[in-house]
Parts: sequence; C-alpha cells; structure tokens
Amino acid sequence: KQEVTQIPAALSVPEGENLVLNCSFTDSAIYNLQWFRQDPGKGLTSLLLIQSSQREQTSGRLNASLDKSSGRSTLYIAASQPGDSATYLCAASLVGAGSYQLTFGKGTKLSVIP
Amino acid sequence: NAGVTQTPKFQVLKTGQSMTLQCAQDMNHEYMSWYRQDPGMGLRLIHYSVGAGITDQGEVPNGYNVSRSTTEDFPLRLLSAAPSQTSVYFCASRWGQRRNTGELFFGEGSRLTVL
Repeated sequence: KQEVTQIPAALSVPEGENLVLNCSFTDSAIYNLQWFRQDPGKGLTSLLLIQSSQREQTSGRLNASLDKSSGRSTLYIAASQPGDSATYLCAASLVGAGSYQLTFGKGTKLSVIP
Repeated sequence: NAGVTQTPKFQVLKTGQSMTLQCAQDMNHEYMSWYRQDPGMGLRLIHYSVGAGITDQGEVPNGYNVSRSTTEDFPLRLLSAAPSQTSVYFCASRWGQRRNTGELFFGEGSRLTVL
C-alpha cells in the first residue's frame, strides 16, 4: 500500500523567502505525482503534475521535482508572498491495471508573514 | 466553466437520517470520485467510477452508496448517518485512462455534521 508523508506539518516563513516543501512516498512504482493547494474552507486546486517519466515541472514561481528512486518529491516556491499561505498537499498514484488511485499526504500548512 | 459542482455546501443531520450529496461535472470526464477529509487523517477515497454504469469501492466505502447513471453526475448517498460520518466531502473528476493527463479537478466540498 502506498503511503505518502509530508514534513513539516506546518511552516512559517517571512515574505520574500524561497522555500521547499517535502513529500515522500513508499512505493516507487508511481504513475504520477501531483501537488495541490487548499485554501481554508475550499477544495483542492491542482498546481503541478509530474508524470513518472519526468523529473520536474515548473509553473511560474513553483517548481516541483520528482526522484522516484529515493521516493521523494519537492515543491519549491520562489519569492514567497502572503497570498501563498495555504495548505499544500501532494498525492501519488500507483501503476496498476484499470484506474489508478491517488494516495494523499496530510499536507503542509504554509504561512507567509508580511 | 463550472467545473465540479457539489451541493449542498453545508448540511446537518441527525443520527439515522439519510441524505444524498450531489456532484456534477461539465468537463465530460469519465472518472469521478468521492473523498472525505478529516483532521489528522488526510483525504481518503470513498467510492469512484470510471464511467457511466461502473462504480467501485475505495478505502472507506462502508455506510455510503454511489451510482453513475450519467457521465455528468455522481451522487453519494448516506444510508443511515452516523456521527463518524461527520466530515468534509469532496467530489473530484478527471479524464479516463485513454486521455488521462492525470490532473484531478475538485469541487468546493460539502461539510456534513451528524448529531
């Protein structure tokens, strides 16, 4: 069974700082890995998706990397802003017959202090 | 674009009552799913569907029923609500395997309290 862990559970940084969020998974036979953002009381918004054949994906100030051999993914946020404050979740899917399913981490709650 | 729409956003039930959470998507996605999100537990898959007429169980299916009569709709039924079903429920959808980019789209959530 795939297990996904995100450390730390919470992170507070001053505005403008670059930061890295970590995600680890136990089964390296993943189909893809996704990073989501969740604002309080809201649903999840997909930020980046990395296919198993890829090493990284970038969108604006966000860069996600994937290292299947070590079972790790990182989300790098450059020049953080107060608007980046949210909970960030990663989710990994396993390769298998039929429809693959995502296993979610419990998230890292990010606070960017002005 | 409406995306994934869930109703109701909030609901309070008494133990033993039944209700249906509605989910509709307008993206012609083949795959739809229901998750529940609880503090300290993360998101857990309840049921999913890979197309109209096809449903399957996820990690925590007990106490819930689903059906998929159309591509657009995937309702979640609570047969006899229990306090343990107090949670935030999310519906999510994506393309099927043949067109699958993998990206999962979520609704805004339905917050359910069972007294």
